[in-house]
Formats: sequence, C-alpha cells, structure tokens
Amino acid sequence: QKEVEQNSGPLSVPEGAIASLNCTYSDRVSQSFFWYRQYSGKSPELIMSIYSNGDKEDGRFTAQLNKASQYVSLLIRDSQPSDSATYLCAGISGNTPLVFGKGTRLSVIA
Amino acid sequence: GAVVSQHPSRVICKSGTSVKIECRSLDFQATTMFWYRQFPKQSLMLMATSNEGSKATYEQGVEKDKFLINHASLTLSTLTVTSAHPEDSSFYICSAPEGGGSGANVLTFGAGSRLTVL
Repeated sequence: QKEVEQNSGPLSVPEGAIASLNCTYSDRVSQSFFWYRQYSGKSPELIMSIYSNGDKEDGRFTAQLNKASQYVSLLIRDSQPSDSATYLCAGISGNTPLVFGKGTRLSVIA
Repeated sequence: GAVVSQHPSRVICKSGTSVKIECRSLDFQATTMFWYRQFPKQSLMLMATSNEGSKATYEQGVEKDKFLINHASLTLSTLTVTSAHPEDSSFYICSAPEGGGSGANVLTFGAGSRLTVL
C-alpha cells in the first residue's frame, strides 16, 4: 500500500452541497495529517491539520481522523465554485517531511 | 504568517543549460527547507532536504550531481538544475517548516517555479 492514497476524482458536486474528500494511509505514516488545497498552476496552501482522533471544524471545513481505520477525510459544506481545486492529503512518515497523496480534483458546479 | 518567496516563477531554457531557483524565508529563519517536484496530474514528490551549513539530503532516485542544492544562509536555499533536459521540465516547489527548524509539522510553500526545457 502506498503511504497516502486518495481517489484522484474528479469529484463533481453542485454549488451549496457538501463535498467529501477521503484519504487512507499506511502504518508507515504517523498520526499527523494535513489537507492542502492546490489551484491549477499554483503551490499548495494549508486548509486544515488534524492530529487527534475525531472531528476538527474550521468554518466550512471539517477534517475527520479515524486512526483505527487509518482514514482521514475533509468535508466542505456549502461548496462554492471557488472551492474547485485539487485537494492533497498529507501525512508525516518517519523522519521524512510531508508525504502527499496524489490529490483529488474537486469541481463545484454552479 | 510565515512567507516563503520563490524565484523565478517561470523559466524556459535550452537543453544542456543550467537553471537556478531561489527560495527565501522572508520573515523567519529556516535551518531546513524542502524541495518538491510535481509533474502534471501527479502529486508532490520530495526531492531533497536542504540543511543550512551542511550537505543536502537527497531522496532515493534523485541525482545529487544533477540537482545541486545550496543552503548558504538561514533564509536562502537554492536549487540548480544542471545540464537540464526536457524530462526535467516540471513544477519545482520549495517549502519550509513554519517553526523554521527541522521539525516536519506545518510546511509553508513557495509559489513554485515552472521549468520548461526545450
């Protein structure tokens, strides 16, 4: 299993809906996880970080971490066209800095 | 918040030439910086860890003689792609831990440099 795996999408949701982005990770990745948003041709920007089991909310974004299932997700409520981007899940593996998944391309349809 | 400046944002060069990319931490000192590469529709892949005052640490499969990294000060790391070839065309992104140290934690990314080798 790759260290961090994501469905590449594209995931299409209508404006105003909830977008659900999922990520699984291997045993080699530690318990710190990050969600980055990357617009086409731009570098990633941090959306959320999550370290503990459970939910963490920040505005329209909620990150969920389930250590037992090795699963981390990002929910985007009231999706907007401006949320259309690639969302990268990242974790820390040993002494290596962030290990990224391939990213899920989200398209919010107006 | 922490800001990382990267330059140039775009560069086009001929095959066989060398290209230098600069990465600066603007409002904090960074003893460690990380260089990533991203091919189209692919994820970010760590190339190397740049360490201030010592040699860079390269990831497996990355040629250290081709991708020269220099971290001469606490705010500047440079990546030089030597004898560039078309297959080196990619998006190169530097980053630094917000705390400036070697801890991985939250990374701040530069804007990236798109290299096109003709």
